[in-house]
Amino acid sequence: NAGVTQTPKFQVLKTGQSMTLQCAQDMNHNSMYWYRQDPGMGLRLIYYSASEGTTDKGEVPNGYNVSRLNKREFSLRLESAAPSQTSVYFCASSEYGTGGLTGELFFGEGSRLTVL
Amino acid sequence: KQEVTQIPAALSVPEGENLVLNCSFTDSAIYNLQWFRQDPGKGLTSLLLIQSSQREQTSGRLNASLDKSSGRSTLYIAASQPGDSATYLCAAGANNLFFGTGTRLTVIP
Repeated sequence: NAGVTQTPKFQVLKTGQSMTLQCAQDMNHNSMYWYRQDPGMGLRLIYYSASEGTTDKGEVPNGYNVSRLNKREFSLRLESAAPSQTSVYFCASSEYGTGGLTGELFFGEGSRLTVL
Repeated sequence: KQEVTQIPAALSVPEGENLVLNCSFTDSAIYNLQWFRQDPGKGLTSLLLIQSSQREQTSGRLNASLDKSSGRSTLYIAASQPGDSATYLCAAGANNLFFGTGTRLTVIP
């Protein structure tokens, strides 16, 4: 099993450009998440989807949009990239959906984004 | 908002030593506490998950404990090996997990 797969692994953008990060999981998990990791700040939740058809804001949602395309796929879109969005982005999934329990989190390998 | 703190930020030990990594959190109303390992340039690998009704979990040389009343968790690594060198992260929360900034462990051969 591949687990959680993210694409692309690396991307360089210019300020104002848009792009979409793709994430897919093959564990039949209900919940999916997007985090960003910055030096000295730990991982911070951007958006999450507790179940297919639902999405909610996390700690740092500004400048991002998400789409839960189906149970397997959860994409993150930057409409107008800014240098402050230079970061490493991680997608994760967990078994539980509604009820607020996260269950055990499984992560992808990360997408390293640089905005010039 | 849940605040998760990990001390120390970095730790170096000789091979074979037993060690303890610390994690503290401010809000004891958590559902889960999870420990992860992160190698440089890689994603996070789940090590142990402790649900709120549990006090500890064990996997091989790893043992994690949870004390909700004091807002603390510890990760015990027995007989450390150079391959254990990595950054160890803890995360705690209810609806969502909040992460600490990690402890970077170096095991010296």
